[in-house]
Amino acid sequence: EDQVTQSPEALRLQEGESSSLNCSYTVSGLRGLFWYRQDPGKGPEFLFTLYSAGEEKEKERLKATLTKKESFLHITAPKPEDSATYLCAAGSYNTDKLIFGTGTRLQVFP
Amino acid sequence: DGGITQSPKYLFRKEGQNVTLSCEQNLNHDAMYWYRQDPGQGLRLIYYSQIVNDFQKGDIAEGYSVSREKKESFPLTVTSAQKNPTAFYLCASNDGTSYNEQFFGPGTRLTVL
Repeated sequence: EDQVTQSPEALRLQEGESSSLNCSYTVSGLRGLFWYRQDPGKGPEFLFTLYSAGEEKEKERLKATLTKKESFLHITAPKPEDSATYLCAAGSYNTDKLIFGTGTRLQVFP
Repeated sequence: DGGITQSPKYLFRKEGQNVTLSCEQNLNHDAMYWYRQDPGQGLRLIYYSQIVNDFQKGDIAEGYSVSREKKESFPLTVTSAQKNPTAFYLCASNDGTSYNEQFFGPGTRLTVL
């Protein structure tokens, strides 16, 4: 069964304290691995798509990486405005649907 | 600007009533999706449509119905048969494959009184 697991569930960081969020996936043929940011009460905002192991993408303080079993979202020197829930999702060759993880709730304190 | 709109932002329903949530997109996307989000759970797929006049059940379709009469519109009706409808509902669209990202609307929060 296709599955996506995110860890940790919640993460508290001091401003400037770098860290990483994990997304482990088990899908039958990965077509794409997607990262989203979701603020409270709002729809998810698309961040990155990764397609193959070894691929990396960056946007401001965020960098997403992909291996054959997991993806990481690295946050470098975070600021309070980076506080949000980060979701990952996987697309597989079995289906045209995306499989979502439950998210990591990130809080960055000044 | 291209995007997805959902209305209303907040919706209150009495038990036994049907309600319809609106979703419109001007991205010229073929596929549209409805998700339900509950605290501590991932997004769960309710229904999706990859082409006008066709739609498929997702993982939790019971108590919901949809229509796709126009490419731009994909309304969701929450019927009285849905036992626990209080949730945050999200509409999304893309080109219809799991190869490309889905784009989301701002969501509708439904509360049953």
